[in-house]
Amino acid sequence: AQTVTQSQPEMSVQEAETVTLSCTYDTSESDYYLFWYKQPPSRQMILVIRQEAYKQQNATENRFSVNFQKAAKSFSLKISDSQLGDAAMYFCAYTTGEYGNKLVFGAGTILRVKS
Amino acid sequence: EAGVAQSPRYKIIEKRQSVAFWCNPISGHATLYWYQQILGQGPKLLIQFQNNGVVDDSQLPKDRFSAERLKGVDSTLKIQPAKLEDSAVYLCASSLRPLTGGEGEQFFGPGTRLTVL
Repeated sequence: AQTVTQSQPEMSVQEAETVTLSCTYDTSESDYYLFWYKQPPSRQMILVIRQEAYKQQNATENRFSVNFQKAAKSFSLKISDSQLGDAAMYFCAYTTGEYGNKLVFGAGTILRVKS
Repeated sequence: EAGVAQSPRYKIIEKRQSVAFWCNPISGHATLYWYQQILGQGPKLLIQFQNNGVVDDSQLPKDRFSAERLKGVDSTLKIQPAKLEDSAVYLCASSLRPLTGGEGEQFFGPGTRLTVL
């Protein structure tokens, strides 16, 4: 079965501190993409960062970076210098399907940022 | 650039009633997706269109759910009749190309929250 596990239902971080959200996935495919999406209370899903599975270098996008361990099927998200606007639900997802067209999402992690 | 538009934002219906949701994707995006997001879960793909043809509807409960995309632009998702377990947020997304990597990034709409009583 294709699954994504986000083992932390909820996380808290102090403003300006660093937090890491964990994600593991299960796929038999060798070529796929991994994503972290952010969903604020307004519900609009926003792409935070993406990683191509055939690239060993970890993706970085400003304060957001990932730790991608392909063999372990692990894809964690690190948020540095956390800001109040980072508070949201974060979803980990990967592509599957004949054309890599289908996204499989985890259940999400609620991130709370304390001032 | 305008984003993905969805309406209505909220809908409350009684079980066994019918309901329809509308989605207008980003202009020029050939691929359109409908997701169901039940409270406490991640989105689950219901159906994917490439232009006005169906690419994947393997997780669409076809006995009660239907979707169409006329002229390869707007799309409607219908539930008839609704059940209590259909209460969820229905998200529409679009992408320039079918692939979800690279240029195939999916852009999501704000969703429609459906409550079935």
